Formats: sequence, structure tokens, C-alpha cells
Amino acid sequence: QQQVKQSPQSLIVQKGGISIINCAYENTAFDYFPWYQQFPGKGPALLIAIRPDVSEKKEGRFTISFNKSAKQFSLHIMDSQPGDSATYFCAASMRGGADGLTFGKGTHLIIQP
Amino acid sequence: DTEVTQTPKHLVMGMTNKKSLKCEQHMGHRAMYWYKQKAKKPPELMFVYSYEKLSINESVPSRFSPECPNSSLLNLHLHALQPEDSALYLCASSQGSRGLQPQHFGDGTRLSIL
Repeated sequence: QQQVKQSPQSLIVQKGGISIINCAYENTAFDYFPWYQQFPGKGPALLIAIRPDVSEKKEGRFTISFNKSAKQFSLHIMDSQPGDSATYFCAASMRGGADGLTFGKGTHLIIQP
Repeated sequence: DTEVTQTPKHLVMGMTNKKSLKCEQHMGHRAMYWYKQKAKKPPELMFVYSYEKLSINESVPSRFSPECPNSSLLNLHLHALQPEDSALYLCASSQGSRGLQPQHFGDGTRLSIL
């Protein structure tokens, strides 16, 4: 049972454009939703995270939008740069993340110069 | 550089070997995690340790044996592994206290089973 569904699987965006990745979850007990960025040969790095009592969180060029009623959340990368090319994973957890993370399948993002 | 250090970075072993993976953090975190990541797949949770006690085991085969000797160290002992166990093994840590628990990952050990 896939508890976190992520789309698209791959995404190509022009430099300076907006990259948008979407996730949906099923388990209403989830209370913590982070996004991770992973480069080849490296471990996932935490980008930004949100709790369901907040509808939007922004950190620099990265914004999470959260829709609790629809059980969906998304990552927006503004002014996308070639250095943003990586695999992005959404994730969800209970107890604020203490129980470990359930990841989406990932999105391979390519920013074309 | 990550604050979670994993050694070795690469490991090749036969199916009859015994080896161990090591993870270390000095952030004062009290929760530590093992994940397995196959190529082009997301990480999958294996074990969770909270205050040096095993709190979650995601039905992992007994050929994987975790150990948390102290709050800074996490080991994964390997024995009689199968070729399908070849993967990137990731360690993560979080504060372990109440509230949000952002997890910080190491760069993993890439394991190949011959």
C-alpha cells in the first residue's frame, strides 16, 4: 500500500521557471510533511517541512502548499536553477517524524539552462 | 559535509560473510534510523532507535541486526545476505524529544552482495 503518492515522476523546467511537484497522502494520522533533495551519490537533504495546521510555508525559493481537506501538498521551486537538478522526495510521518518517514516515489527534476 | 557520518562508504561482501555498517552523529540526537534505498527508489524505513532502545522494526529479515551501543552510535550487523540486499543503506538521526523531529541523513553505505 503506497501511503504517499508523488507526481510527476520526472520534470523538465527551463532556468528561471517554476518547478511544481505534487504529493497526496492517505493516512490522516500523518502530522509532519518534509521534502528532501537528493543528489547522486549523496544522502537525502532536508529542504523544508510543514505541519497540517499551516497552509503554506516559504523558505527562500522553496514553498510548500498544504491542503488538509484534500490530503495533498506540493513543493514549488521559484526561479529554478540548474543547480536545483536533483531527485526530490516528499515524505510523511506520525508523531512529528519520530516514527520514521514514509517517502513518495520521487521526482527527477532537470533544470535546462 | 553531513553531520551524520557513515562508514564504510562502499562495501562488497559475499553471501557467507559477516560485516557491519557504522553510523555516528554528534548533534546530541536521541533517535536514530536505518533506511534501505534501492536504485531509483525512495528510502524505506528498516529500524528506529529511540533513547538507545529499538522502538520500530519494519519486519526486516533477521540477517540484518541493528545495535545502538550509545546515543551517538548506530551499527547494522550483516550476515548471510542475499544479492537482492544490494542497496544504499542510509542512517538518519533526529532530536528524539517532543515536537517536530526533522531527520538528518548521512550519505550512506553502498553495499554490493556478490
